[in-house]
Order: sequence, then structure tokens, then C-alpha cells
Amino acid sequence: AQKVTQAQTEISVVEKEDVTLDCVYETRDTTYYLFWYKQPPSGELVFLIRRNSFDEQNEISGRYSWNFQKSTSSFNFTITASQVVDSAVYFCALSEAATSGTYKYIFGTGTRLKVLA
Amino acid sequence: AAGVIQSPRHLIKEKRETATLKCYPIPRHDTVYWYQQGPGQDPQFLISFYEKMQSDKGSIPDRFSAQQFSDYHSELNMSSLELGDSALYFCASSSGLAGVDTQYFGPGTRLTVL
Repeated sequence: AQKVTQAQTEISVVEKEDVTLDCVYETRDTTYYLFWYKQPPSGELVFLIRRNSFDEQNEISGRYSWNFQKSTSSFNFTITASQVVDSAVYFCALSEAATSGTYKYIFGTGTRLKVLA
Repeated sequence: AAGVIQSPRHLIKEKRETATLKCYPIPRHDTVYWYQQGPGQDPQFLISFYEKMQSDKGSIPDRFSAQQFSDYHSELNMSSLELGDSALYFCASSSGLAGVDTQYFGPGTRLTVL
């Protein structure tokens, strides 16, 4: 069965520290997609990144970077020089195909990041 | 850019009442998904629609039903509400069946059942 594990329930860092959020997944599919979403205290789910299983290039977007390693089934997320505004719950998600052709997401349990001033 | 719209944003109901949540997808998105997020939990998939037809079903109680209309908006109908239905309900939309398009989430409807 598809599964996403975010072993870190909560992480606290001091502002300007770097922090890495771990995500490990299990899937039977040869083609799949991984996502990261941010859920700030206001509650909405904000899309951060999508990665397909054929693209193992790491990606950097400003202070955010992602490391996808198929060999270890991991898709980790690093925030460099963290800021208080980064405080949120971060969810890793895996696509799961329905027979109809659409996809649903399987979410991990989330990691709550607290950045202290 | 236009985002997913959900209404109402907050809803308070009594046990055994009914509730209807509405979702308006991003323009030109033809697929709608509903997720339920309990307090401190991750979002759980409920149901999805593609081109007005139900395409997948998750752990949605029989007391809940949903549909997608000709203008692609969707409604989630919840009857005989229970305390355990209190949650944040998200709608997401994406476009098409070609590969996996990113799901964009609405702001959610926070349902409280008293």
C-alpha cells in the first residue's frame, strides 16, 4: 500500500538555522509524484513543490531546497536560514492513481516546524 | 490568479443536522477533490470528480454525498452530523487526466458540530 512517513512530529529551531524535514515513502507504482505542502496557522494548504519519479534532480527555490533520492525512497525538504514566517506544519504527499485515471494524495502525518526569534 | 473558493469558511451545526459545503474550482480545472482534516491530523481523501462524474472514493461515510455540477463546482452534503465530523474540509482542483496535475487547495471550511 502507498504510505508516506514523516517521522519528525515537531521541530524547533532558532531563526537563521537550517532545518531539514524528512519524508520517506512506499509505493508499488513505477511512476509516481511527490509533493510538499505548507499549512500555516491560518489553515490553508499551500503548494510548494511537485516531483515526478523520473526526475531525481534536486531543486532549489530561494531558501528552500529538496533532495529526492529514489534509492532510499526519500524526498527531504531543507529550509536554509529559517525565518519566523516559516513556522507551519509541512506535509509530504504521494500521488495514488485511481482506476478512473485521476489521482488522490496520500499525506504524511506532517511535521510542525517552530522557528523561534 | 484565481484560486479555489470554498463556502462557507466556518460552519457550526448541531448533532443530527445537515450541512452543505460548496467548492468552486480554479477556472478550466475539471477535477475536484474533497479531503477531511481532523484536529492535529493529516488530510484524508474523501471523494473526487472528473468531468462531473465520480472518479474515486475514499473513506467517506455513507451519510455524506457529493456531486459536481455542469459549471464544475462541487457540493459536499453531510447528513446526521456527528461530533466526530468536526474537521477542516478542503476542496482541491486540478486539470485533466494527463499525468498528475498538481492539486490546488481551497482555504477550507471549518465545520464544528456541537
